Amino acid sequence: DAGVTQSPTHLIKTRGQHVTLRCSPISGHKSVSWYQQVLGQGPQFIFQYYEKEERGRGNFPDRFSARQFPNYSSELNVNALLLGDSALYLCASSLASGSGIRETQYFGPGTRLLVL
Amino acid sequence: DAKTTQPPSMDCAEGRAANLPCNHSTISGNEYVYWYRQIHSQGPQYIIHGLKNNETNEMASLIITEDRKSSTLILPHATLRDTAVYYCIVPNYGGATNKLIFGTGTLLAVQP
Repeated sequence: DAGVTQSPTHLIKTRGQHVTLRCSPISGHKSVSWYQQVLGQGPQFIFQYYEKEERGRGNFPDRFSARQFPNYSSELNVNALLLGDSALYLCASSLASGSGIRETQYFGPGTRLLVL
Repeated sequence: DAKTTQPPSMDCAEGRAANLPCNHSTISGNEYVYWYRQIHSQGPQYIIHGLKNNETNEMASLIITEDRKSSTLILPHATLRDTAVYYCIVPNYGGATNKLIFGTGTLLAVQP
């Protein structure tokens, strides 16, 4: 079975531009989370979506937004890019069966964004 | 802030067991301990998780102390491909969110 897939793998943008990153969860998984990993640090939580609704948001500015589609895939959007947004953006999916979402998260390979 | 503390780095000889410790002294009774690893520039890879009993799968074993304040991840026969940053995580189940808070992890270097 395919794991979590993300596109594109690499991206170069300039300051002030907008970027959209895409994630397809493992088949059957209903929850998607996004993380940002700056070089030399551990991943930081950005968003979590379950059944197309935002269930959690980390300490990121409003320039960051996301959404989840009926097929459970997700997009992360970042507006007005800053140099500091350069990072590896990771998507993780979990089964989220039943009433809870407290299940193992499986990560994709990430999208490496470079802002010049 | 992460609920766990880990040594920043460890070395292990190839073929030997790698024992990676983690302290989580503030863990609550219903909180799990998760282990992930991240090989350079790749996404984190799930290894194993547990609540209070020891767990084993094809990748590793997880030993959790009786008071649940610490745990050890054991890679029984480390190979060069096990060189990675290993993260011990207690997920933050705030409200409806299952949030993984990554600390700095342990860089395990497997030596030939």
